[in-house]
Amino acid sequence: QSALTQEASVSGTVGQKVTLSCTGNSNDIGNYGVGWYQQNSHGAPKTVMFANSLPSGIPDRFSGSKSGTTASLTISGLQPEDEADYYCSTWDYSLSAWVFGGGTKLTVL
Amino acid sequence: EVQLVESGGGLVKPGGSLRLSCAASGFTFSNAWMSWVRQAPGKGLEWVGRIKSKVEGVTTDYAAPVKGRFTISRDDSKNMLYLQMNSLKTEDTAVYYCTTESGDGAFDIWGQGTMVTVSS
Repeated sequence: QSALTQEASVSGTVGQKVTLSCTGNSNDIGNYGVGWYQQNSHGAPKTVMFANSLPSGIPDRFSGSKSGTTASLTISGLQPEDEADYYCSTWDYSLSAWVFGGGTKLTVL
Repeated sequence: EVQLVESGGGLVKPGGSLRLSCAASGFTFSNAWMSWVRQAPGKGLEWVGRIKSKVEGVTTDYAAPVKGRFTISRDDSKNMLYLQMNSLKTEDTAVYYCTTESGDGAFDIWGQGTMVTVSS
């Protein structure tokens, strides 16, 4: 069981806006920023969102937010190439460890 | 070009040892906090451990499942990160990635990964 909770799957059509969520607690998301990673089949993860900024080269249709112990990744104007698994992560000070969500499989219909 | 390249993966028997390497280039490695993250077949990402920079005392942190068995080290003169894995278990079978910590609440650069299979 992952420390952070993500939806198992989310789907959307091309051009639609979708939001992926990542829920933790006061030991992790409640006190630290959240990063988001995209992983295509058979590939290495790629960072698509830092806690407070967008990595270089990532289109600005990706955006992130946080409220309390839940973080969100929003993709506006969904594209076919956005179909992938998405993971969130943050630091957990009670564990002194980075923790990940179980991942969300995003399907572009 | 900013790059991380892992090597050293392979097949090892339970109870055996293996050392993974990660070669860094294109950024100031000595300033970077480095982590190892693994992914078992068909599963999600799992943090293994990290090593801070020399300025921060080269201190290490480890995930509970590997504490006492795995050791992370670095050689800043060679821009190299290492993961020494001892007393390997079948559940350590995974692709192992090295990655940098961005300082903005997330990992940043990722390597392509190296596969470790623990099986008799």
